[in-house]
Amino acid sequence: DIQMTQSPSSLSASVGDRVTITCRASQSINSYLNWYQQKPGKAPKLLIYGSSSLQSGVSSRFSGSGSWTDFTLTISSLQTEDFATYFCQQSYSSPRTFGQGTRVEIK
Amino acid sequence: QVQLQESGPGLVKPSGTLSLTCAVSGGSISSSDWWSWVRQPPGKGLDWIGEVSHSGSTNYPPSLKSRVTLSVDKSRNHFSLKLTSVTAADTAVYYCARYDSSSYGLDVWGPGTTVTVSS
Repeated sequence: DIQMTQSPSSLSASVGDRVTITCRASQSINSYLNWYQQKPGKAPKLLIYGSSSLQSGVSSRFSGSGSWTDFTLTISSLQTEDFATYFCQQSYSSPRTFGQGTRVEIK
Repeated sequence: QVQLQESGPGLVKPSGTLSLTCAVSGGSISSSDWWSWVRQPPGKGLDWIGEVSHSGSTNYPPSLKSRVTLSVDKSRNHFSLKLTSVTAADTAVYYCARYDSSSYGLDVWGPGTTVTVSS
């Protein structure tokens, strides 16, 4: 299995801050990396696919980058509605493993 | 617009079988290549359970392969999950989702259903 490791596990930030979350794969996954946002009691929502492509309807303040084993999700200017948990997932091969999640909290 | 809805018992006894169904509405189950299940134990992260194609092919994680079976029923436009020999560790919110083979992401999710394993 490909292991996905996210960092940090949690962070505190203020509205307007630039936030960066990283995800590392245990082996190369090309650009088959997705990012999801999950709010309490809700299903995850696809934000970014293919490492850097923005899912339809998702705010442009979210962006993704990276390839091979190292990836980044950036929120350019954190808004109140962005406080949530973020997960990366590799779709390069089965099993399509997730990272452990990064919780973004209000400072 | 495709929507998904999970259904099934909320309580399963230890050593029993967990059975869930995901109803697909707003589109045909044959319109997408793959359909997936993901679970989330209380307070924990997301755990990929597997995926089934509209033609019945499956992929499972090694950790669950001996206990899980996914299937598709085209006539009812739904797909299903069976997990045998359950323990308390299988207590989780179970989500069904569509795997979009153009984006390689899970782009449509059901709201989730809570399954508790307890006697």
